Amino acid sequence: DADVTQTPRNRITKTGKRIMLECSQTKGHDRMYWYRQDPGLGLRLIYYSFDVKDINKGEISDGYSVSRQAQAKFSLSLESAIPNQTALYFCATSDLRAGSYNEQFFGPGTRLTVL
Amino acid sequence: KQEVTQIPAALSVPEGENLVLNCSFTDSAIYNLQWFRQDPGKGLTSLLLIQSSQREQTSGRLNASLDKSSGRSTLYIAASQPGDSATYLCAVENSGYALNFGKGTSLLVTP
Repeated sequence: DADVTQTPRNRITKTGKRIMLECSQTKGHDRMYWYRQDPGLGLRLIYYSFDVKDINKGEISDGYSVSRQAQAKFSLSLESAIPNQTALYFCATSDLRAGSYNEQFFGPGTRLTVL
Repeated sequence: KQEVTQIPAALSVPEGENLVLNCSFTDSAIYNLQWFRQDPGKGLTSLLLIQSSQREQTSGRLNASLDKSSGRSTLYIAASQPGDSATYLCAVENSGYALNFGKGTSLLVTP
C-alpha cells in the first residue's frame, strides 16, 4: 500500500464550485505539505503544516485553505475554483527525526481541471 | 529567493550511455538537496538526498554530487536503460521546510 495517498486522483469541476482534495499518510510523519505543479513553472508550495496545530502559508496560498484533521490527514480546499487553478496537486510528508533530514515523500497527485 | 535551474531541459540518449544531469541554485545556504524522478501522470519518487555537509550520495546506478560553494549539483546515471526515461527534478531546501524545485530535465533513453 502507498505511504502517501491522495483522493481524488482526477477531478473536473466548474468555476465557482468548492473543491476539497484529501491527503492521507501512513509514514507517521509530522510534517505535511501541499504543492501545485504547472507546465513550465515547476512545483510551488501552497501550504504546509508541522503538526496538527501548526499551519502555515506557502508561496501561493491565495484562493486556497487547508485543514489538518489529524497527524495523518491534510486537506486542501478551493473555496471558489477558478480556471487558473487547473493544475496537478501534490501532497508530501517529511519529518526531522534523526537520520531523516526532512526528506520529503510525495503522493501520486490529483489532476484538477476547472472549466 | 532561491532560484533553481536545470540544464538541459530535455535529453535523448541511446541505451547503455552514461549521462549527467545538471542543477544549479543561487543561494548556497542550503539545508539539503533532493533529486526526484517523475513518470508521466505519476507522483514524484525521491531518488537521493544530499545533506548540506555531504559531497555526494550513491544509490545503485545513480550518483549525486553537491558543490555548495559553486551552487551546483549533478546527477550521474550509469549504463542508462529505457526504464530510466522520465523527468528528473532537482529540489533545494533552504529554510528547513519548503523545497524549491527546478523545472526538470526530461530524459528519453532509446533502445
